[in-house]
Amino acid sequence: AQSVSQHNHHVILSEAASLELGCNYSYGGTVNLFWYVQYPGQHLQLLLKYFSGDPLVKGIKGFEAEFIKSKFSFNLRKPSVQWSDTAEYFCAATTSGTYKYIFGTGTRLKVLA
Amino acid sequence: DTGVSQDPRHKITKRGQNVTFRCDPISEHNRLYWYRQTLGQGPEFLTYFQNEAQLEKSRLLSDRFSAERPKGSFSTLEIQRTEQGDSAMYLCASSLLGRSRNTEAFFGQGTRLTVV
Repeated sequence: AQSVSQHNHHVILSEAASLELGCNYSYGGTVNLFWYVQYPGQHLQLLLKYFSGDPLVKGIKGFEAEFIKSKFSFNLRKPSVQWSDTAEYFCAATTSGTYKYIFGTGTRLKVLA
Repeated sequence: DTGVSQDPRHKITKRGQNVTFRCDPISEHNRLYWYRQTLGQGPEFLTYFQNEAQLEKSRLLSDRFSAERPKGSFSTLEIQRTEQGDSAMYLCASSLLGRSRNTEAFFGQGTRLTVV
C-alpha cells in the first residue's frame, strides 16, 4: 500500500539555521509530491509541488524540495528559517492512477527567535 | 472568499447523536476529498469524489459514516450514532483533475467535532 513517511516529528531550530525535513514515499510508479504547511490555527496550505520536470522544486517563502527518484525521497529545505516558519509541515503523495492524497504524520517545527 | 468552505467550524455533540458536515469546494474543481485529522497525526483519507461519483471509501471508515456529493458540487459527510473516538478535525479539500490541467488539493478550514 502506498505510504508516506516523515522521519522528524519535532524539530527545534534557532532563527537563521538551515532546515531539512525528510520525506520518503513507498510507491514504484509515477507519483506527484507535495509539501503542505499548517500554521497555528490555520488550514493546510501548499508550500510546493512536484508533478514532473526539474526535480528541484522551488516553493513559497524560500522553501525548496528535491525529488530523488532512486531514494524515493522528497526532502524539504530552507537555507535560513525565520520565527514565522513555526508550523507543522506535511509531506503528501498522489499516484497517477487515483490522485488520492496520502499524507505523512507531519513534522512540528519550532523556530526560536 | 473563493476557497473551500466548511460548515460548521465547530460541532459538539452527545454520544449517539447524528451529525452532518457540509463542504463547498472551489467551483471549477471536479475532485472532492474528505480527511480526518487527530492531534499529532497527518490527515487520514476517508473518501473522495470525482464529480458526483464516490470513487473510494477508506476501509477504516465504518458503516456509520456516509458521504454524498449529489450534484457534483457541495458534499456532505454524515456520522451516525457518534462515538467519542469520532472526535477529530474533519477536513475537506478539492482539486481539478483534467486532461490538460491538474491542480493541487486546496483545503478548507475544517470542522472540529467533539463527542461528549
